[in-house]
Amino acid sequence: DVKVTQSSRYLVKRTGEKVFLECVQDMDHENMFWYRQDPGLGLRLIYFSYDVKMKEKGDIPEGYSVSREKKERFSLILESASTNQTSMYLCASSLRRLGSNFFTFGSGTRLTVV
Amino acid sequence: KQEVTQIPAALSVPEGENLVLNCSFTDSAIYNLQWFRQDPGKGLTSLLLIQSSQREQTSGRLNASLDKSSGRSTLYIAASQPGDSATYLCAGINSGNTPLVFGKGTRLSVIA
Repeated sequence: DVKVTQSSRYLVKRTGEKVFLECVQDMDHENMFWYRQDPGLGLRLIYFSYDVKMKEKGDIPEGYSVSREKKERFSLILESASTNQTSMYLCASSLRRLGSNFFTFGSGTRLTVV
Repeated sequence: KQEVTQIPAALSVPEGENLVLNCSFTDSAIYNLQWFRQDPGKGLTSLLLIQSSQREQTSGRLNASLDKSSGRSTLYIAASQPGDSATYLCAGINSGNTPLVFGKGTRLSVIA
C-alpha cells in the first residue's frame, strides 16, 4: 500500500528548540509539500519541493526551513520553535506528470511548543 | 490567486438523508479538483479527484462534479450514515505542477 509517512504523530517541544519533522513517501513522487492546519484558518502552505535539492516558499514560510536531499524524504525544520508554531503539520506528495496530480497526505504531526 | 470557499462550515443531517456539499473557487482556470475527508485529529484521506478533462467522478455512495464555468464543485453523498461524520475539504490546482489550494472545509454530522 503506497503511502506518505510522517515520523511522529505527537511531539512536545520547548520554546527555542530546533525541531525536525520528517516525511517519507514510497511512491516515487517528484513533488512534496508541507502544510500546517489551524482551527479557523484551514490548511496553509509552508514550503514545497519539485525535485531533490529544490524548494519553493509557500504562503507562510517565516520561521521554517526545509531540506530535500533524497527524492523520497522532505524535512521541515523549525529553527527556533515558538508557541505560535503549535499546530497540526501535514505532509503531501504528488506526481509531476500532467493529468496525474493526485495528492496523497500523511497522517499528520501534532506539534505542541511549550 | 486561486481562492476556495466551502459553505456551510458545518452541517447536521439525519441518517439516510442524501446531501450535497458545496465548493466554489474564484479562478475558472482550475486544473484539477480533489475532495478529501478528515477525521478529528487525523490526516487527509482522498475521496475523489476530478481531472481537467472530466466533469464528475463517482466512488460508491459519493459523486463529485466540477463546473469550471460557474466556479463550483459539489460532493453528493447518498444515503448518509453516522460513519460519514467528518470534515470534508475540497482543494484545487491551477496548473499541472502547483500546490493544492484548500477550502476551510465543511464539518458534517450524521445523526443516527
